[in-house]
Amino acid sequence: KQEVTQIPAALSVPEGENLVLNCSFTDSAIYNLQWFRQDPGKGLTSLLLIQSSQREQTSGRLNASLDKSSGRSTLYIAASQPGDSATYLCAVKTGDYKLSFGAGTTVTVRA
Amino acid sequence: EAQVTQNPRYLITVTGKKLTVTCSQNMNHEYMSWYRQDPGLGLRQIYYSMNVEVTDKGDVPEGYKVSRKEKRNFPLILESPSPNQTSLYFCASCQDRTTDTQYFGPGTRLTVL
Repeated sequence: KQEVTQIPAALSVPEGENLVLNCSFTDSAIYNLQWFRQDPGKGLTSLLLIQSSQREQTSGRLNASLDKSSGRSTLYIAASQPGDSATYLCAVKTGDYKLSFGAGTTVTVRA
Repeated sequence: EAQVTQNPRYLITVTGKKLTVTCSQNMNHEYMSWYRQDPGLGLRQIYYSMNVEVTDKGDVPEGYKVSRKEKRNFPLILESPSPNQTSLYFCASCQDRTTDTQYFGPGTRLTVL
């Protein structure tokens, strides 16, 4: 069974600092890995999707890397802003429409 | 606008009273699923559907039913809700089961007393 772990569970940084969020998974046979953002009481917003054949994806200040062989992904958020405060979830897709989620990292960016 | 909608957004009910949470997507996606989110446990898949009339169990299907009679709709049914089904529920859809981005609905917060 796929196990997805996100460390740390919570993170607090001053505005302007770069954020590094980690995700690890136990089964490397994945189709893709997706990073989501969740605001309190809200749904999930997809940030980046990395296919299994890719090493990284970038969107604006966000960059996500994938090392499938070691079962790791890292989400980098450059020059953090208070608006980046949210919970970030990673999810890996395996098998037939099977998506496994980590418990998330809650980020607070202090102004 | 491409979206997944859920109704109701909030629901408080009592043990044993049957309820249905609706989910609809306007993107003509084949694949839809339901998740529940609980503190410390992350999101867990309840049921999924690969197309009309094709559904299968996820990780935590006990106490839930689903149906897929139309491509756009995928309701979640709780025949006899219990307090341990108090949770935040999300519906999701995507077109390609292996490569596509998942689109999530806004969530339904259910409280069973």
